Amino acid sequence: DTGVSQDPRHKITKRGQNVTFRCDPISEHNRLYWYRQTLGQGPEFLTYFQNEAQLEKSRLLSDRFSAERPKGSFSTLEIQRTEQGDSAMYLCASSSTMNTEAFFGQGTRLTVV
Amino acid sequence: DQQVKQNSPSLSVQEGRISILNCDYTNSMFDYFLWYKKYPAEGPTFLISISSIKDKNEDGRFTVFLNKSAKHLSLHIVPSQPGDSAVYFCAENTGNQFYFGTGTSLTVIP
Repeated sequence: DTGVSQDPRHKITKRGQNVTFRCDPISEHNRLYWYRQTLGQGPEFLTYFQNEAQLEKSRLLSDRFSAERPKGSFSTLEIQRTEQGDSAMYLCASSSTMNTEAFFGQGTRLTVV
Repeated sequence: DQQVKQNSPSLSVQEGRISILNCDYTNSMFDYFLWYKKYPAEGPTFLISISSIKDKNEDGRFTVFLNKSAKHLSLHIVPSQPGDSAVYFCAENTGNQFYFGTGTSLTVIP
């Protein structure tokens, strides 16, 4: 399977704990995106990388959130001191500069209790 | 303010009939619009896209229409099948990110 891969698929954590999610994009794609989706809403943009450079961040990405893509391949999204409002589906997508579409992974469902 | 709007949260259609999903956008600067399909507990799957230099793009049972003067796009599914039941999102590609609508839940009744 050469699609976008996200790990874990599900995460339940206690409020105040830190969590980290991983995304492996399609191998030839240089662009990587993180989105968040809550019930009844469309995916909301969090941040975007071109190769290893983080080029854009949404105001939704508070100081508790950090994303990295150290070698321009996989990416991690860390949430520190989780809050109940962080409960959502976190989606990763990748694309190439030649494509007009992005391809999404299966998502990581985060539940903060 | 929402850049891409889907004003119908849900739609029910009989199997074999046409499904029409609608989307309005506010910013005319960008070149590509897309439709994604999403099943519960999965990520969105790319369906079809259209460039702003076109007014129609067709792929099998799926056709997307773009009306630039009205800032409106629509997705037609003909004939509709029960497996098409899902949430459909329209999206706009700005070059740095994709703006998504809130989705329309399509139910195709056998």
